[in-house]
Amino acid sequence: GNSVTQMEGPVTLSEEAFLTINCTYTATGYPSLFWYVQYPGEGLQLLLKATKADDKGSNKGFEATYRKETTSFHLEKGSVQVSDSAVYFCALPNSGNTPLVFGKGTRLSVIA
Amino acid sequence: NAGVMQNPRHLVRRRGQEARLRCSPMKGHSHVYWYRQLPEEGLKFMVYLQKENIIDESGMPKERFSAEFPKEGPSILRIQQVVRGDSAAYFCASSPLGDHSYEQYFGPGTRLTVT
Repeated sequence: GNSVTQMEGPVTLSEEAFLTINCTYTATGYPSLFWYVQYPGEGLQLLLKATKADDKGSNKGFEATYRKETTSFHLEKGSVQVSDSAVYFCALPNSGNTPLVFGKGTRLSVIA
Repeated sequence: NAGVMQNPRHLVRRRGQEARLRCSPMKGHSHVYWYRQLPEEGLKFMVYLQKENIIDESGMPKERFSAEFPKEGPSILRIQQVVRGDSAAYFCASSPLGDHSYEQYFGPGTRLTVT
């Protein structure tokens, strides 16, 4: 089935620093790709998505580009804030009939 | 439009007891997914249901776990004779369609602690 490998954390950055969280995938075909965010004590929220190759998903200053050449969907933000502290998950639908497959998550801590 | 609702948010059970976790999908959503998150791990798919049907239970342990989504009322994830290893956060998600390329909307989760 499809799988995703995500950069392990934790990642600690100072406010206004540049963020990259790497995500690479193995998939049959070209499924949609997702980044979810989980704030402390909460469920997952969709952060952004891309539905086809070369698409760029963006939301709240975060961006990720669906790159089929490198099978990657890296998450970036130019200037992080303390409020971005959370766990970030890369995900894609599995092959067959099984729903989303998640990476292990990357915990981001942003310090003032 | 209320989001996905789960209750209880926290559940403590002794070993050997039963745990019942409830999930009410978003209005208009007829597809429900259950995931389990172990500490410091990603989410693992457990089961996918539509109203009155289990579509995919490939992620469910073969014993002690069951799920249902009746015609009326919430989806229920039931764990019988809980063990310490069942301690985890259980998340429910819903979607309006069965196409997995569509966004799934997650509930806040039920954190189960087995003592």
